[in-house]
Amino acid sequence: AQTVTQSQPEMSVQEAETVTLSCTYDTSESNYYLFWYKQPPSRQMILVIRQEAYKQQNATENRFSVNFQKAAKSFSLKISDSQLGDTAMYFCAFMNTVRGAQKLVFGQGTRLTINP
Amino acid sequence: NAGVTQTPKFRILKIGQSMTLQCTQDMNHNYMYWYRQDPGMGLKLIYYSVGAGITDKGEVPNGYNVSRSTTEDFPLRLELAAPSQTSVYFCASNTGNGPQHFGDGTRLSIL
Repeated sequence: AQTVTQSQPEMSVQEAETVTLSCTYDTSESNYYLFWYKQPPSRQMILVIRQEAYKQQNATENRFSVNFQKAAKSFSLKISDSQLGDTAMYFCAFMNTVRGAQKLVFGQGTRLTINP
Repeated sequence: NAGVTQTPKFRILKIGQSMTLQCTQDMNHNYMYWYRQDPGMGLKLIYYSVGAGITDKGEVPNGYNVSRSTTEDFPLRLELAAPSQTSVYFCASNTGNGPQHFGDGTRLSIL
């Protein structure tokens, strides 16, 4: 079974700083997807970024980028120029597909606080 | 489009009671999912469905049942509620390789 580990329960940075959230995973599969989700206090689950394992290039979405190290099974999220609205829980997730359905396995989350 | 709609938003149950959490989506998605999120934890998959009439177990199915009679609806049934089922429940849906769209969640407390 796949497992996802986020080793940083909480992080706190000043507005405009850069912050990196860590994630490691364990799988024997070669084809899979990885995600970062954001969950603000409103409880919504918001997709931040996704990475296909077969792509060597790291995914980027505006201020959000990942460092995907397939051999090390590491998938960290970097947030540049952090903003107050980035304050949220961040979850790393591993996905494989079964009969076309996406089976997501989530890490425990990192609570990120952006201070003014 | 409303997306994924979950009802109710909050509910308190007594031990041993049963209830159904409703989930409906208006995006014509084939795939639907139920997750639970315990305090301070990530989501865990309870059940999923690949289409009307087809459901399968996820990571934590014990104590729950689902059905999928239509493409739009995917209710989750709790029989004999237990304190361990106190959680926030999320429904999600997607199509093909698209991202999962999540509902706003149902907070369930069992006392």
